[in-house]
Amino acid sequence: GAGVSQSPRYKVAKRGQDVALRCDPISGHVSLFWYQQALGQGPEFLTYFQNEAQLDKSGLPSDRFFAERPEGSVSTLKIQRTQQEDSAVYLCASSLAVGGLAFFGQGTRLTVV
Amino acid sequence: AQKITQTQPGMFVQEKEAVTLDCTYDTSDPSYGLFWYKQPSSGEMIFLIYQGSYDQQNATEGRYSLNFQKARKSANLVISASQLGDSAMYFCAMSPDPNFGNEKLTFGTGTRLTIIP
Repeated sequence: GAGVSQSPRYKVAKRGQDVALRCDPISGHVSLFWYQQALGQGPEFLTYFQNEAQLDKSGLPSDRFFAERPEGSVSTLKIQRTQQEDSAVYLCASSLAVGGLAFFGQGTRLTVV
Repeated sequence: AQKITQTQPGMFVQEKEAVTLDCTYDTSDPSYGLFWYKQPSSGEMIFLIYQGSYDQQNATEGRYSLNFQKARKSANLVISASQLGDSAMYFCAMSPDPNFGNEKLTFGTGTRLTIIP
């Protein structure tokens, strides 16, 4: 595709459910980032991949959050046993090279009820 | 640790006027990069402009310019001749990489800009 694609665009989960959010980066992009944007706030860094290697996961808020990029392209952010404070927009970004400009997707809005 | 402060939660500006969005930053890193992004209601973050800490001249991109004052640790965005399509959230962000790197951006809380016809 022409840009970073995220699915689903909207997700409503009952508290305690597991969710999986998908990110399709721009084809050939090496770097991939996940950010969490709470309502009324700026995005906050969650994790960073270079190809399939997860080089930085310092922003993941708890061990309920898990991200993977097994073949160095599509990435999945998984949240186990969702809680209300997990409600946010989850943004994915990719860049062609390390240190290159990152392009963002439109995000997945997660609402935990 | 890096910190970005945007003190204007919202601004209203008349169409065709210039507007300045404030951004101050704090970091202990000797070098860094500063970014401005636009986030329309559709949700994606659109890159506007970048300034490396080593750059002597202020960055410009079309109607956008970045007023970089290193001693004051400020990186204000100036939009000239505002248009209705400029209405959006604007975020200032910082990276530890001064060479246009995008790893681990730290964002401010944003400013909602509304252009009035």
